[in-house]
Amino acid sequence: NAGVMQNPRHLVRRRGQEARLRCSPMKGHSHVYWYRQLPEEGLKFMVYLQKENIIDESGMPKERFSAEFPKEGPSILRIQQVVRGDSAAYFCASSLYVSTEAFFGQGTRLTVV
Amino acid sequence: GIQVEQSPPDLILQEGANSTLRCNFSDSVNNLQWFHQNPWGQLINLFYIPSGTKQNGRLSATTVATERYSLLYISSSQTTDSGVYFCAVYSGGGADGLTFGKGTHLIIQP
Repeated sequence: NAGVMQNPRHLVRRRGQEARLRCSPMKGHSHVYWYRQLPEEGLKFMVYLQKENIIDESGMPKERFSAEFPKEGPSILRIQQVVRGDSAAYFCASSLYVSTEAFFGQGTRLTVV
Repeated sequence: GIQVEQSPPDLILQEGANSTLRCNFSDSVNNLQWFHQNPWGQLINLFYIPSGTKQNGRLSATTVATERYSLLYISSSQTTDSGVYFCAVYSGGGADGLTFGKGTHLIIQP
């Protein structure tokens, strides 16, 4: 049973480009969360999705960031017009039910140059 | 929102030593998890422990929900135990995800 799969593991983008981060939850999990980790800090919640629905995006910046979890395929975190401050590790987690044990992917390290 | 405080922030030990890491939280929680982030950045699930005591090999954890704290015990430390240990909680309905503490950075020296 594969765990949470994220790709790419590393992503380098120039300022102004778009970044797309993908997350496939554990088999049978329909609850997906995205978190961001800045250097030397803990993880901060960004958005919570179920299939085809955004449930809570209170932690996501209002501009340039969007997320989706389509009926088919992985969840996508999209960052438009990236800036240097977007450089961070982005983690995806999935759980069987809301607020039950969360399992994390290996993260995507985004570097904006 | 809920506050999660971890202590100590840094800990340096010799191989073979025992340690206790603490997590305090400011409100009632539905779930509490301990994670180990290894030097490669991977987050490893250690315990899902909203209350009570659990053990897994050299590691054990206790959560006293009524007093709003959790403890992680590491016995007979090994160099591979090095990394950052995070406590994270769900409060309320959980729709706003886990709230993480700032972590305890553990270094085990040979």
